[in-house]
Amino acid sequence: AQTVTQSQPEMSVQEAETVTLSCTYDTSESDYYLFWYKQPPSRQMILVIRQEAYKQQNATENRFSVNFQKAAKSFSLKISDSQLGDAAMYFCAYAGSGNTPLVFGKGTRLSVIA
Amino acid sequence: NAGVTQTPKFRVLKTGQSMTLLCAQDMNHEYMYWYRQDPGMGLRLIHYSVGEGTTAKGEVPDGYNVSRLKKQNFLLGLESAAPSQTSVYFCASSYSTGRGAQYFGPGTRLLVL
Repeated sequence: AQTVTQSQPEMSVQEAETVTLSCTYDTSESDYYLFWYKQPPSRQMILVIRQEAYKQQNATENRFSVNFQKAAKSFSLKISDSQLGDAAMYFCAYAGSGNTPLVFGKGTRLSVIA
Repeated sequence: NAGVTQTPKFRVLKTGQSMTLLCAQDMNHEYMYWYRQDPGMGLRLIHYSVGEGTTAKGEVPDGYNVSRLKKQNFLLGLESAAPSQTSVYFCASSYSTGRGAQYFGPGTRLLVL
């Protein structure tokens, strides 16, 4: 079974600085999708970014970008110019082939310091 | 377009009581999911459905039942609530399993005394 590991339970960053959240996964498949979700204090789960494994180009959404290393099975999220509103839990998720739901990591709590 | 909605937002139950959580989506998604979220445990899948009339077990199905009688609704039932079921419950839906991004409801906080 696929697993997703987020090795950093908590991280902090100064406002306007850059922070990188780590995620590794274990799979034997070659075709899959990876996601980062944000959960602010409101508890609403928000999709931040999605990466398709067959695409070599790293996905980018405004200040959010990923570093996808397929061989290393690593999928880190970089947040540039951090803002107070970025403070949240961040979850990495894996979607394999076939009829299987997402597999989530346990999350990283990000604090942004003014 | 409301997306995914959940009813109720908060509920307190006594041990042994039953209740049903309702999830509704207006995006015509085929797939729907129920998760529970506990501190330090992330999101754990309880049950899911790949279409109207179908259900399947997830990672932590014991103590819960589900039904998907209509495409837009996915119900989660607790027949005899236990304190271990105190949690925040999230419903989600997606166009397809896996590859499709999941869209989440706002969550239901359940406290079982």
